[in-house]
Amino acid sequence: GESVGLHLPTLSVQEGDNSIINCAYSNSASDYFIWYKQESGKGPQFIIDIRSNMDKRQGQRVTVLLNKTVKHLSLQIAATQPGDSAVYFCAEANSGGSNYKLTFGKGTLLTVNP
Amino acid sequence: KAGVTQTPRYLIKTRGQQVTLSCSPISGHRSVSWYQQTPGQGLQFLFEYFSETQRNKGNFPGRFSGRQFSNSRSEMNVSTLELGDSALYLCASSLVGSRETQYFGPGTRLLVL
Repeated sequence: GESVGLHLPTLSVQEGDNSIINCAYSNSASDYFIWYKQESGKGPQFIIDIRSNMDKRQGQRVTVLLNKTVKHLSLQIAATQPGDSAVYFCAEANSGGSNYKLTFGKGTLLTVNP
Repeated sequence: KAGVTQTPRYLIKTRGQQVTLSCSPISGHRSVSWYQQTPGQGLQFLFEYFSETQRNKGNFPGRFSGRQFSNSRSEMNVSTLELGDSALYLCASSLVGSRETQYFGPGTRLLVL
């Protein structure tokens, strides 16, 4: 069945370092992937997305990498700041499916130490 | 542009009661999806509404229902509440032409005693 999982439930980094959050997915039909950031007491906030016809996409301080061969997704955050501390979720979807929905991973807690 | 708003933000109910949660999408967004978030199960899809019609439904019992109004506002209802229904209920909206990109509200924290 569909599933999206994360390799590391927690990640602790020093301020200024780069962070890498990983995600594995199992549905080969998924063609759209999103990273969300969820701070305490808030709903998930859209960070960046990528479609399966791409293997890399960059945003402001963030980069998403997609490796379809091994069904792996990663989020790289450059120069991590204390404000980046949050839970990060990856989500996948089959945009062409009749029953479109986002399937979320369990989340990774990122802690940035000053 | 205002974001997705959800009311109430916090709610305490007892087993057997029913509850109605409300969601107002971003202006111009016509698709509304609902999710349940718990520590054990994470974020799980409940249902999606578009043009006042349920377009998709997750694997939840019939006690969970929803509807959408002509102004795209949506409500979800949970009847005969169980302790396990305690969760953060999140609403997300998206544009018609960009269904995949969903923007979430702050959620309604429901505690069932």
